[in-house]
Amino acid sequence: GNSVTQMEGPVTLSEEAFLTINCTYTATGYPSLFWYVQYPGEGLQLLLKATKADDKGSNKGFEATYRKETTSFHLEKGSVQVSDSAVYFCALRDSNYQLIWGAGTKLIIKP
Amino acid sequence: EADIYQTPRYLVIGTGKKITLECSQTMGHDKMYWYQQDPGMELHLIHYSYGVNSTEKGDLSSESTVSRIRTEHFPLTLESARPSHTSQYLCASSEPSTGGEQYFGPGTRLTVT
Repeated sequence: GNSVTQMEGPVTLSEEAFLTINCTYTATGYPSLFWYVQYPGEGLQLLLKATKADDKGSNKGFEATYRKETTSFHLEKGSVQVSDSAVYFCALRDSNYQLIWGAGTKLIIKP
Repeated sequence: EADIYQTPRYLVIGTGKKITLECSQTMGHDKMYWYQQDPGMELHLIHYSYGVNSTEKGDLSSESTVSRIRTEHFPLTLESARPSHTSQYLCASSEPSTGGEQYFGPGTRLTVT
């Protein structure tokens, strides 16, 4: 069946550090892939998405590339800020338009 | 900008009470979802709907029920609240023709004492 695996958190970084949050998936076919962000006390917001192999999604300095050969969609940012502290969720969309979610990765950025 | 609303944002209620969590969206989306989430933790799908008069149970068994009488409205009801229902409840909607990504409301934080 379909599944998403994310690196365990929390991930703790200093401000201006480089960020990578790993996400790999198992799926039949080539599903659309998403990264969502959840700030404390809020719902989830779509951060970026990619709909086919080699697509790169980007938003607010975050990027992720759809890698078919490694079934991965790792989230990266070149220089993180304290305001990036949140929980990040990777997800894939299955053939029924349901989202299959990773467990979430908590990111803590220290000044 | 996606418009999906949930009320109340916070609710503290005693055991045995009946509660209804409201969710409305103004985007005309056919698909709507309810998730249960301990804050910052994994999301668990408890109910979904593909349109008016369509409701299905999700992956996580839940004692709650839902209804979908109007496209824009997808309320969740607990007939008799228990402390084990304490959690955050997130509502979402999506439209396949626009990519299928889900748009989320701000959530309802429920505490049952």
